[in-house]
Amino acid sequence: QQQVKQSPQSLIVQKGGISIINCAYENTAFDYFPWYQQFPGKGPALLIAIRPDVSEKKEGRFTISFNKSAKQFSLHIMDSQPGDSATYFCAASMNYGQNFVFGPGTRLSVLP
Amino acid sequence: DSGVTQTPKHLITATGQRVTLRCSPRSGDLSVYWYQQSLDQGLQFLIQYYNGEERAKGNILERFSAQQFPDLHSELNLSSLELGDSALYFCASSVDSGATQYFGPGTRLLVL
Repeated sequence: QQQVKQSPQSLIVQKGGISIINCAYENTAFDYFPWYQQFPGKGPALLIAIRPDVSEKKEGRFTISFNKSAKQFSLHIMDSQPGDSATYFCAASMNYGQNFVFGPGTRLSVLP
Repeated sequence: DSGVTQTPKHLITATGQRVTLRCSPRSGDLSVYWYQQSLDQGLQFLIQYYNGEERAKGNILERFSAQQFPDLHSELNLSSLELGDSALYFCASSVDSGATQYFGPGTRLLVL
C-alpha cells in the first residue's frame, strides 16, 4: 500500500515533442505528490509538486495532472528539449507523516 | 544548490574497510534521510532521523548504521565493505517528515 508505481521505465522523445510519465498509488492518505529530476551524477532536485485539492498544476513547460479518483498522477513535459534528458522520479507522502515514497524512476532521452 | 552538503564527494576504499559519510542538512531542517543509488537503480531508502532520533528504517544492511547529532548533522557509517556497496549515497533533508525533501550532491563510494 506504500508503493508508488511509475511508467514507463524509459522514454525516448524527439525535440519539441511531449513527454508523459505516469504514476499510480494505493494509499489514499497520501496528500503531497512531488516530482524530482535527476541528472547523471547529481542529486535529485524538486521539479514541481501538487496537492490533491487541484487537478492540474503548471510551471513553465512542466505540468502535473492529478486524478484523485483513479489514484494516478502524471508529469507532462511540453516542447521537450535535449536538456530535459534526465531521470524523473515521482513521489508521494502524507504531509507531516512518516512516509515519503519514491517511484522507481523514468529515464527520459530527448533526441535533438 | 539545495543547501544540503555532503562530504566527501568521492571515496575510494577496499573491501572489508569502514567509511563514514557526512551530511549537513539545510538550515532549519530537522529531518535527515539517507538513500543508496546503485548504477541505473532507483533511490533505495536507508534510514531517516528526526531531531536526533531514528524515525524510519528502510533497506539498510546491518553493516550500516547512522546517527544524527545535536547540531543536526548526520553521519552514515558503512563497515565490512563489499564490492556491491559501491554506489552513490545521497542525504536529503526536510523540515519535517513527509515534507519536501531536498537532496545533497551525493557521495560516490567505490569499493575495490
